[in-house]
Amino acid sequence: SQKIEQNSEALNIQEGKTATLTCNYTNYSPAYLQWYRQDPGRGPVFLLLIRENEKEKRKERLKVTFDTTLKQSLFHITASQPADSATYLCALDIRTGNQFYFGTGTSLTVIP
Amino acid sequence: ETGVTQSPTHLIKTRGQQVTLRCSSQSGHNTVSWYQQALGQGPQFIFQYYREEENGRGNFPPRFSGLQFPNYSSELNVNALELDDSALYLCASSFQVNNEQFFGPGTRLTVL
Repeated sequence: SQKIEQNSEALNIQEGKTATLTCNYTNYSPAYLQWYRQDPGRGPVFLLLIRENEKEKRKERLKVTFDTTLKQSLFHITASQPADSATYLCALDIRTGNQFYFGTGTSLTVIP
Repeated sequence: ETGVTQSPTHLIKTRGQQVTLRCSSQSGHNTVSWYQQALGQGPQFIFQYYREEENGRGNFPPRFSGLQFPNYSSELNVNALELDDSALYLCASSFQVNNEQFFGPGTRLTVL
C-alpha cells in the first residue's frame, strides 16, 4: 500500500542550529513533492515545491532535496528560530489519478 | 486578494445525518481540493475539482461527494455520517492542478 513516513519522533533543537526533517515514501512515483507548515488549529501553509527532475531547491533559510532513487526528501531550516516551531508536512503529488498524499508530519520545537 | 475561507467553523451532527461544508477559493484559482485531517495525523486527500469536474479522488466512499461552482467556490457533502467522520475538514485552492495549494482554516466536524 502507499506509505509516506516522516520523522517518527518530535524534533527539538537549539535556536541557531539547522533542523533536518525527513520524508520517505514507498510505492509512489511523484511528479512533485511539496512541504507545508501547520500551526495548531490552522490550515497548512505552503513552503516549497520541488519537481521530480530537480535535486535541490532553496528559499531564504529553507532548503529541500529530492532523491527519487532513494525515495526520500530532506527539508532543512538553517539558523532556526523559536518562530519556526510548528508541524511540518511533506506532500506528494501523484500524476496517476491526480492524487495528493500527505505524510503524518513532524513536530519541530526550537528551544531559545 | 482574498484568501480561502470555509464555513462553518465548527459543526456538531449526530450519526446518520448529512452535512454540507462550504469553501470559497482564493481569487483566480480554478482548482479546489478537500482533505480530512484527524487529530495528530496528516491531511487525507478526499477529492479534487478542476473547472467544475472531479479531477481526482482519494480512498473515500461515495457518501463523500462534492461540487465546484462556476465561481470556483465548492461544497463537500457527507451522507450517513459515522462517528469516524469526526475530523477537521480542509479546503485548498490552487491555480491549475499541480501548483502550490492555499488552505482555508478548516471546519471542525464532530459526529455524536
